[in-house]
Amino acid sequence: DAKTTQPNSMESNEEEPVHLPCNHSTISGTDYIHWYRQLPSQGPEYVIHGLTSNVNNRMASLAIAEDRKSSTLILHRATLRDAAVYYCILAPLHRDMRFGAGTRLTVKP
Amino acid sequence: DTEVTQTPKHLVMGMTNKKSLKCEQHMGHRAMYWYKQKAKKPPELMFVYSYEKLSINESVPSRFSPECPNSSLLNLHLHALQPEDSALYLCASSQGVTSSYEQYFGPGTRLTVT
Repeated sequence: DAKTTQPNSMESNEEEPVHLPCNHSTISGTDYIHWYRQLPSQGPEYVIHGLTSNVNNRMASLAIAEDRKSSTLILHRATLRDAAVYYCILAPLHRDMRFGAGTRLTVKP
Repeated sequence: DTEVTQTPKHLVMGMTNKKSLKCEQHMGHRAMYWYKQKAKKPPELMFVYSYEKLSINESVPSRFSPECPNSSLLNLHLHALQPEDSALYLCASSQGVTSSYEQYFGPGTRLTVT
């Protein structure tokens, strides 16, 4: 299975943009890139996903490198409520998702 | 409505007890999942149901028995658990099992086995 590499932790300041990186150098052509986050004491929450093109939704943007070997989740304006563990997951088209260790994001006021 | 509900929120059970966890969604999703999450670890997939049929069982011990009575409901029956089975049990659903669909998670049931 293709794996992802994320930093263990990152810090950001409130109201500033946050760029969360994810490396997935062994990605295959049909692997979707999913991002979920998990706030303390809650279940994971879907953030965004994509295959090849950059994606935007109300929560975030997903920038996918042209060779698809890396991607970046962009939170345009971090709030204290964005403090969470962010998981970047490669999901083969006809297989299930496997969570990695994720990045713990701390947002400072 | 993108809500997945799970009951109970907390459960304490002895090693000889039998209990069940319940999960419900009303989004018309045809795939449902059980995950197990130990403290400070990522969720681990246990079971996948597609169109009410078990499609994936990740070598989970038989003391965990899933059931999908209909497309909206998913149960996890527990029997003769061990203390190391204490964890947060998460249910999720999606439109289908392909990864082109996102999953929606419930808040989880925190299980303690004494």
